[in-house]
Amino acid sequence: GIQVEQSPPDLILQEGANSTLRCNFSDSVNNLQWFHQNPWGQLINLFYIPSGTKQNGRLSATTVATERYSLLYISSSQTTDSGVYFCAVGSGGSNYKLTFGKGTLLTVNP
Amino acid sequence: KAGVTQTPRYLIKTRGQQVTLSCSPISGHRSVSWYQQTPGQGLQFLFEYFSETQRNKGNFPGRFSGRQFSNSRSEMNVSTLELGDSALYLCASSTRGDVGYEQYFGPGTRLTVT
Repeated sequence: GIQVEQSPPDLILQEGANSTLRCNFSDSVNNLQWFHQNPWGQLINLFYIPSGTKQNGRLSATTVATERYSLLYISSSQTTDSGVYFCAVGSGGSNYKLTFGKGTLLTVNP
Repeated sequence: KAGVTQTPRYLIKTRGQQVTLSCSPISGHRSVSWYQQTPGQGLQFLFEYFSETQRNKGNFPGRFSGRQFSNSRSEMNVSTLELGDSALYLCASSTRGDVGYEQYFGPGTRLTVT
């Protein structure tokens, strides 16, 4: 099956700093989503981005499907950005599932 | 529009018991998927349902089963609980069954097996 690798596994920042999270995948995809898992465990949708670039406030994402990677940018980080960020991909017309990376644990210190 | 809802939110069971978790998808969504999250294995796919049919199943033992009703609500059942079944169980829904459509997750059910 498709492999998803996220880097870095852990990231510690000072408030106000910028960061880039990376997601590499091993095959072509027709779905790529970025999630932020809140302290209670819910996965919050950040971006649905199988290709191209999107921006939402301080967050933006880029997926280069031909090179099989996606990047999540967080600018001017805030303590509320802390948590685990997951990349998940869907591949294949009859697969009907998302495959998740192991996540990046982001800690933003005041 | 209300999001995906899951009940119960927390559950404590004893080894050997069985448990049923419920998921109500976003209105109009017909595809429901289930995932298990543990610290050791991360997020793993359990199964997916569309129009009451299971179309894909992950690599879990037969103790894990599910079903979907005509109103798209879904339940999953775990029989003969083991300590290793302690996990966060997440349900997701999407408008259509194609994996190319955005998935939305519920708040999860945290199951503890003692």
